[in-house]
Amino acid sequence: QVQLVQSGSELKKPGASVKVSCKASGYTFTSYAMNWVRQAPGQGLEWMGWINTNTGNPTYAQGFTGRFVFSLDTSVSTAYLQISSLKAEDTAVYYCARVVIAAAVSWFDPWGQGTLVTVSS
Amino acid sequence: QSVLTQPPSASGTPGQRVTISCSGSSSNIGSNTVNWYQQLPGTAPKLLIYSNNQRPSGVPDRFSGSKSGTSASLAISGLQSEDEADYYCAAWDDSLNEGVFGGGTKLTVL
Repeated sequence: QVQLVQSGSELKKPGASVKVSCKASGYTFTSYAMNWVRQAPGQGLEWMGWINTNTGNPTYAQGFTGRFVFSLDTSVSTAYLQISSLKAEDTAVYYCARVVIAAAVSWFDPWGQGTLVTVSS
Repeated sequence: QSVLTQPPSASGTPGQRVTISCSGSSSNIGSNTVNWYQQLPGTAPKLLIYSNNQRPSGVPDRFSGSKSGTSASLAISGLQSEDEADYYCAAWDDSLNEGVFGGGTKLTVL
């Protein structure tokens, strides 16, 4: 079955970097783009952007430029989110979600289980 | 605040029908389709409705979606205790050139 499995929780100090992985299985990885979504504690969902898994070209939402980098390793069907210069406000659960496009409309399905990144000194 | 506006909470008793609204603008709901996601406590979001009113396989027909102009709605009939969750609407925004979510609605089954 189609599945996205993310890496485990991370505890990082302010100023450090973190790399979250999202391993896809059950489908052709390069046939679907991948989204990233952030959910701060007790808050709603925020769209961070997406990466074209064919070309590797990323698109970042406003507010997620500069310190956030999307990347791929297509040989292992895995997408990555790297966050540098971590701040306390980056503490959140980060989700990857496959983008399904059909007849010019799109939706996110499935979602990874989420990765909690905690930034604390 | 979120680009799409949802009520923060909704409630109903078992068997009842509840609706959750999602209000946007001409650049998002007015010109693009709406998707709904269900997030059960402590879990990842799950696709509930796509393309305004389509149910993925496995989603009960108690869940239905609709869209009119710059607003959308999610209806849940025959409410069950396991429907207690957060519900999010989402759409593409042509002006921002970004995906946008509603702030989420916490549904309580009394």
